[in-house]
This record gives sequence, C-alpha cells and structure tokens, in this order.
Amino acid sequence: DTEVTQTPKHLVMGMTNKKSLKCEQHMGHRAMYWYKQKAKKPPELMFVYSYEKLSINESVPSRFSPECPNSSLLNLHLHALQPEDSALYLCASSQDPPAGQGMNEQYFGPGTRLTVT
Amino acid sequence: GQNIDQPTEMTATEGAIVQINCTYQTSGFNGLFWYQQHAGEAPTFLSYNVLDGLEEKGRFSSFLSRSKGYSYLLLKELQMKDSASYLCAVRPPGGSYIPTFGRGTSLIVHP
Repeated sequence: DTEVTQTPKHLVMGMTNKKSLKCEQHMGHRAMYWYKQKAKKPPELMFVYSYEKLSINESVPSRFSPECPNSSLLNLHLHALQPEDSALYLCASSQDPPAGQGMNEQYFGPGTRLTVT
Repeated sequence: GQNIDQPTEMTATEGAIVQINCTYQTSGFNGLFWYQQHAGEAPTFLSYNVLDGLEEKGRFSSFLSRSKGYSYLLLKELQMKDSASYLCAVRPPGGSYIPTFGRGTSLIVHP
C-alpha cells in the first residue's frame, strides 16, 4: 500500500464552523506534512510531524490546529477560518523525518478542496 | 533562502520531446526533486538528482548541474496524459531539510 488518503475530498464551511481534515497512511512512514496550495501556486508547507511530534510550524495562524493521534493518522482542525483560507490542503508523508541524507521523497494524498464562505 | 524559477507554461505536440527548465539560487543545495501534478490532484514524485548528470527513467529524464544552479526535466514521446504541472523542488543542506517548491510549469500537450 503506497497510498496516502485524505477525507473529505471537498469541504464547504462557514467562518464560524469547526471542521477537521483527516489524512492516513499505512506505509510505516515516520514523517507527515500538511501543505496549503492555492490555484497555480506551489504547495506551501504548514506543519511537519516527525515520530508523531510536531517538529515544524511555519508560523501558521492558530485557527489551524494539527494533531497526530498515532503514526498513521494526521488531522487538521479548522476553526473560525477566513475566505482567503480557501485552498487545496495536501497531506504528505515520507519514510524518514526531513534530513539531508537520502532521497526521502514525499508521497502526497489527493487533497481536500476547502471553500470558506 | 531559496529562489526557484521555472517557465509558467509550455505547449508541445503529442509524440514530441519537451524540456522543462528549472534554475535555482540558494544558499546551499542538498538535492532536487521533480514532481508531476495533474489539475486538482496531488503531486506525484518523478525524479531526484543530487549529483551532476542525467538520470533516466523510462520516457522521463532529469538533469542537474550544481555549478550552474540548473536542472531540466526531459519528456520524450509525449502523450496527452502528460498534460500537467511539473514542479521543481530544491532541498536545502541544513535547517529543516524540507524541499521548497517552485511555482510549477503547466505543460499542455495537443494532438
């Protein structure tokens, strides 16, 4: 199984709602990532978890709250979002935590298309 | 920091060869990735270069020149399904070690 799955595929939420995005991988990967991607832009890193611990937070607003319940699951809790947060949210995993040795390519999930109204 | 430059868009004909360039200016270098991303889908890994030279993988090849800060992705025998965005990503030698993505090149293959 070389797949990263994400649910839901699409999500529409109001600015006062609370919702969660879910990501799952069963490849035994030790690092998981959240990215945000706007149309025709590159993915922007949000968070990195290494061995289930948050290792990188790229100064993301607190209305985005990540959680890693176990080595296979990664959640992104959303609260009080703004319309400008509408984007494709990508989850990725890699065999090892980010480091300088080896290829350690990232495997991406299909993403959640989020629209904030 | 990392500054990665790719052409925004390219067009090519089915069956042809196309070369997508990527130049980077960085304070260091520890590997370059190419990913393919179809519209609305996740990026998928294509290739990785850390040493100078050409890496060939089927119809796709990737080249790196570290001294020039330059890479290209070569696609041969183009097929319609190759229409996608191609992202170049450069990994720094220290700090987070996480690759920074370029804006991507949108390739349109027409009959």
